[in-house]
Amino acid sequence: EVQLLESGGGLVQPGGSLRLSCAASGFTFSSYAMNWVRQAPGKGLEWVSSIPASSDYTRYAASLEGRFTISRDNSKNTLYLQMNSLRAEDTAVYYCAKAFSGWFFDFWGQGTLVTVSS
Amino acid sequence: ESVLTQSPATLSLSPGERVTLSCRASQSVSSYLAWYQQKPGQAPRLLIYDVSNRATGIPARFSGSGSGTDFTLTISSLEPEDFALYYCQESNNWPLTFGGGTRVEIK
Repeated sequence: EVQLLESGGGLVQPGGSLRLSCAASGFTFSSYAMNWVRQAPGKGLEWVSSIPASSDYTRYAASLEGRFTISRDNSKNTLYLQMNSLRAEDTAVYYCAKAFSGWFFDFWGQGTLVTVSS
Repeated sequence: ESVLTQSPATLSLSPGERVTLSCRASQSVSSYLAWYQQKPGQAPRLLIYDVSNRATGIPARFSGSGSGTDFTLTISSLEPEDFALYYCQESNNWPLTFGGGTRVEIK
């Protein structure tokens, strides 16, 4: 059974940093691209970032303006999202999602809430 | 960037009714379009990918169609568990984008 378990969310002040983790199990993690998608409270889904299985490139939403970094450790079956210079508008539930048939998302974690507030 | 516009924003329907949801792209996304269902407090679930392919375990009452810029998700007969939010997503271009969603609510 595929499982994705996010952690690392919480309350952080504007300008602060957080690192999210997503522990994967139930599939060959090193063979699949992975993604982060977020959802602000009461809002729709917003793609954040993607990384292929080999980590040879990364992609980000323009709204992040270079503040976030996606990475993965295939030896630990774990996906990461380093978030710096956080802003109130980054407040959201952050989901990790396994890529499928290109860049669709067939399995999602339960999400971790990031709240940016003073 | 491809902007996906979903319509209508909300549909009020009764169980057993047929429902058609629309997703229109600002530029061609070829066949790289998916549909997701999201219920309150839950992560999204993949329903349809590559326009018309049902994901594993998705009932046959869900179907997708379209090409280029205009796409449709059809639920042939609404079940009580189908009342939810539905999002389309395209993967033909970077950045990946989602539509704003259509809420299907009980009438």
